[in-house]
Amino acid sequence: ETGVTQSPTHLIKTRGQQVTLRCSSQSGHNTVSWYQQALGQGPQFIFQYYREEENGRGNFPPRFSGLQFPNYSSELNVNALELDDSALYLCASSLIGTSYGYTFGSGTRLTVV
Amino acid sequence: LAKTTQPISMDSYEGQEVNITCSHNNIATNDYITWYQQFPSQGPRFIIQGYKTKVTNEVASLFIPADRKSSTLSLPRVSLSDTAVYYCLVGINDYKLSFGAGTTVTVRA
Repeated sequence: ETGVTQSPTHLIKTRGQQVTLRCSSQSGHNTVSWYQQALGQGPQFIFQYYREEENGRGNFPPRFSGLQFPNYSSELNVNALELDDSALYLCASSLIGTSYGYTFGSGTRLTVV
Repeated sequence: LAKTTQPISMDSYEGQEVNITCSHNNIATNDYITWYQQFPSQGPRFIIQGYKTKVTNEVASLFIPADRKSSTLSLPRVSLSDTAVYYCLVGINDYKLSFGAGTTVTVRA
C-alpha cells in the first residue's frame, strides 16, 4: 500500500501571498486531515475532510481553507500569508471512525518572509 | 479531551530501556491512550494504543495502572535511531488528534 505523499517538500513565500499545498492520501483511506506544526511544538489540528466536505475544524482563521477530491487527495490553501504561518504542514489520512489508524506524510516546510 | 503531562526531554544510552510516563488525571471512562513517535522532518507515526493493563508490540510496551490516571511507554534496548519526539494522546475523538509538546528522547552512543 502507498503511504501519504505531500508536495512540495519546501516552499518560501512572501507575506501577503497565497499558497496551495497538496496531499495524496493512503490507499484505502477516506479522510484527510491537515495539521500545522511550529518549531518545537506538537502538531495542531487545522481541519479534516470526509466525502469532500469539512468534517471538523480547529482554531484556525477562515483564510485557511481546503478541498478534498473524489480520489481522496486534498489541498490546503492559505491566503494572506503571515510570518507566523511559517511551519511544517502535515497531512494525515485515515478511515472514518478509526481512533488510531492515522498515517502522516512527511510534510511541507513553509517559510514566510 | 483529557489533558496530558509528560516530561519535556529524556536522555539515554544505546541498549538501555527508556520509560516515558504520561499523566492524564481526567481521563474519561471510554478514552484510549495512544502514543505517536516523530522523527525530525517527518510526520508522527503511530506506535501503540491501549485501554488498561499492558499492551506490547514489536516496537514498545504500554503499561496502564488500574486507575488509568497515568501510562508508561517503555522502549526496550534503545538505539540511536530511537531518538525522536514521543507524544502521549488521550481521548482521540472522531476527527482530530490533540498533540501536546511531547517528550524529546535523545539516545547517545
